[in-house]
Amino acid sequence: QKEVEQDPGPLSVPEGAIVSLNCTYSNSAFQYFMWYRQYSRKGPELLMYTYSSGNKEDGRFTAQVDKSSKYISLFIRDSQPSDSATYLCAMSAHGTSYGKLTFGQGTILTVHP
Amino acid sequence: EAGVTQFPSHSVIEKGQTVTLRCDPISGHDNLYWYRRVMGKEIKFLLHFVKESKQDESGMPNNRFLAERTGGTYSTLKVQPAELEDSGVYFCASSLQEVRGLANEKLFFGSGTQLSVL
Repeated sequence: QKEVEQDPGPLSVPEGAIVSLNCTYSNSAFQYFMWYRQYSRKGPELLMYTYSSGNKEDGRFTAQVDKSSKYISLFIRDSQPSDSATYLCAMSAHGTSYGKLTFGQGTILTVHP
Repeated sequence: EAGVTQFPSHSVIEKGQTVTLRCDPISGHDNLYWYRRVMGKEIKFLLHFVKESKQDESGMPNNRFLAERTGGTYSTLKVQPAELEDSGVYFCASSLQEVRGLANEKLFFGSGTQLSVL
């Protein structure tokens, strides 16, 4: 079983839609949760960073972490064609190198005009 | 400010040959990481340098892979001899320092090297 499960999609939505992306994980040691966005032929770029359970909002993006369910989500409001990319969840455990991340497989998102 | 630079962007080699990938981190970043994505799989951690020292190489697949970071600046990842299963995208990332707080631990990724072993 993978430590982090993420539905690879692909996911196609119309412009303006609310997008929900999710990951589940099995390792209880994960304490730090991230969402990365990756455009084609580019490296991942950090989008959201949260510690432990709770919500975090940044503009059109909201990250949620539910440690009791081992479930994290990313919501994108008023989606735009420029949001079309691969979205990767990533996690790290307390006591390990901060940059030693465990990634989900990534969800391919297309927002069409 | 220049980002993380990787060279080459693409490499096509035959099984049994040697390939060396290079990564130039952001200037001043102590931490350098190598990751790999094999087709259809998730991005996986390979190893972590703090300056010139290997901090964690638990993700290195086998002894055909050798990573170095001379003088704590750029890093190279050599695969010798390459096998078919080594094909994938190799990413390098760097961060400022191992201190909690987003400004210090945020990873900046390069665009990756696409390695194809035929």
